[in-house]
Amino acid sequence: DADVTQTPRNRITKTGKRIMLECSQTKGHDRMYWYRQDPGLGLRLIYYSFDVKDINKGEISDGYSVSRQAQAKFSLSLESAIPNQTALYFCATSERNLGPPRGQYFGPGTRLLVL
Amino acid sequence: AQRVTQPEKLLSVFKGAPVELKCNYSYSGSPELFWYVQYSRQRLQLLLRHISRESIKGFTADLNKGETSFHLKKPFAQEEDSAMYYCALSGHKTGANNLFFGTGTRLTVIP
Repeated sequence: DADVTQTPRNRITKTGKRIMLECSQTKGHDRMYWYRQDPGLGLRLIYYSFDVKDINKGEISDGYSVSRQAQAKFSLSLESAIPNQTALYFCATSERNLGPPRGQYFGPGTRLLVL
Repeated sequence: AQRVTQPEKLLSVFKGAPVELKCNYSYSGSPELFWYVQYSRQRLQLLLRHISRESIKGFTADLNKGETSFHLKKPFAQEEDSAMYYCALSGHKTGANNLFFGTGTRLTVIP
């Protein structure tokens, strides 16, 4: 089955460390997204990419960077992790379509703890 | 700016009772509305889209532009409906295909 996968699934790191979260998809979708989920705040968009050469900031991009290495891969980096970046991170994909959006497909999430 | 409001963080109903999860939105345009569900230890998944006017797992949702609402309803709740539910909005102002989420409602169906 075509899928969206994320690695690692869980990560503990220390303040100031650089870490990378990876997302891969076999759905053949052009568009990829990174969200963070915090209790009581729902999901908030960090970055999104409509194709390999197109990267856009989302609602809460400060402190994060991304890389779209290929159509199927979209990585999220925390250059210098801080405790308030502790959250559940989701990658998502969607297909390009001219009509109404058909929704996004989510990965299983990466649980990050910054000490 | 766009906003999606889910006023109830927690909702409990008995099995077999009707359930309604509320969603109100603010958006100066024609939005596309979605409901996503997250079961325990599973990934977020699309439940239904307003454009499809479909019923999934017994759930329906009608877009009411006058009341700017997109409430999710099911006439008879089942235990397996217990999950976190998110209402989401998409439109040209959010960036094509981008989703803006509400804060979610945790539904618990009591046996």
